[in-house]
Amino acid sequence: GEDVEQSLFLSVREGDSSVINCTYTDSSSTYLYWYKQEPGAGLQLLTYIFSNMDMKQDQRLTVLLNKKDKHLSLRIADTQTGDSAIYFCAGTDYGGSQGNLIFGKGTKLSVKP
Amino acid sequence: EAGVAQSPRYKIIEKRQSVAFWCNPISGHATLYWYQQILGQGPKLLIQFQNNGVVDDSQLPKDRFSAERLKGVDSTLKIQPAKLEDSAVYLCASSLGTANTEAFFGQGTRLTVV
Repeated sequence: GEDVEQSLFLSVREGDSSVINCTYTDSSSTYLYWYKQEPGAGLQLLTYIFSNMDMKQDQRLTVLLNKKDKHLSLRIADTQTGDSAIYFCAGTDYGGSQGNLIFGKGTKLSVKP
Repeated sequence: EAGVAQSPRYKIIEKRQSVAFWCNPISGHATLYWYQQILGQGPKLLIQFQNNGVVDDSQLPKDRFSAERLKGVDSTLKIQPAKLEDSAVYLCASSLGTANTEAFFGQGTRLTVV
C-alpha cells in the first residue's frame, strides 16, 4: 500500500516562500493532495494534482510532482502569518478498491513576522 | 453549503467505558469516512461507507470499534470498551463519490481516555 513521508517542521519569515516536501511509495496514486490543518480544526483541501501532471499553480500555491523520484512539493509564495498550520500530503491507496486517502505525518509550518 | 457536522467536539472518559461519536455529512454526499488522528500523526482511515454499505473497514479494530450508517446519511462510531491508546481526534469526512477528488472534513471529536 501507499506510504507517505514528510519533514516535520518548517520555519520561515513572513513574505518569504515556503516549500514543503513529501515522498510517496506507490506510483499508482491517481491523485496527490495537500491538506491544511489549523489548530482545533478539521482538514481543509488546499489543492490536488493528477498523477499525469508535473505542475499545478493556484494563486500563491504551486505543486510540483516528480513521478520518477516519487516526490511532491508544495510552494507557498509570499507566506503570511495566517499560513501557519500543519500541512499534510496525501496519496490514494486503491487496496480497498475505492481509493482511501493515506496521509503523511504532517509538516508544521511556522511563519515569523 | 453546510459542512460536515460532528458531535461532540470533546469527550473525556475513563478506560473501559464506552463512547459514541456522531457525524452528519454534507447533503447528497454518498461516501462517508471515519479517520483516527493520533497526536503528532496524520489521519488514518478506520472505515469507509458508500451510502449505507461498508466499502472498507480493514483498519477498524472490530473487537472494540463499530460504526453504522443507517439510511445512508448520518453515521455513528462507537468504541466499547475504550483503551488509553484510543485517545485521538476522530474525523468524519464525506465526498460526492469514491474518486476522492475532494473529501470534506468535519472539525473532529477529540477523545481523551484516562
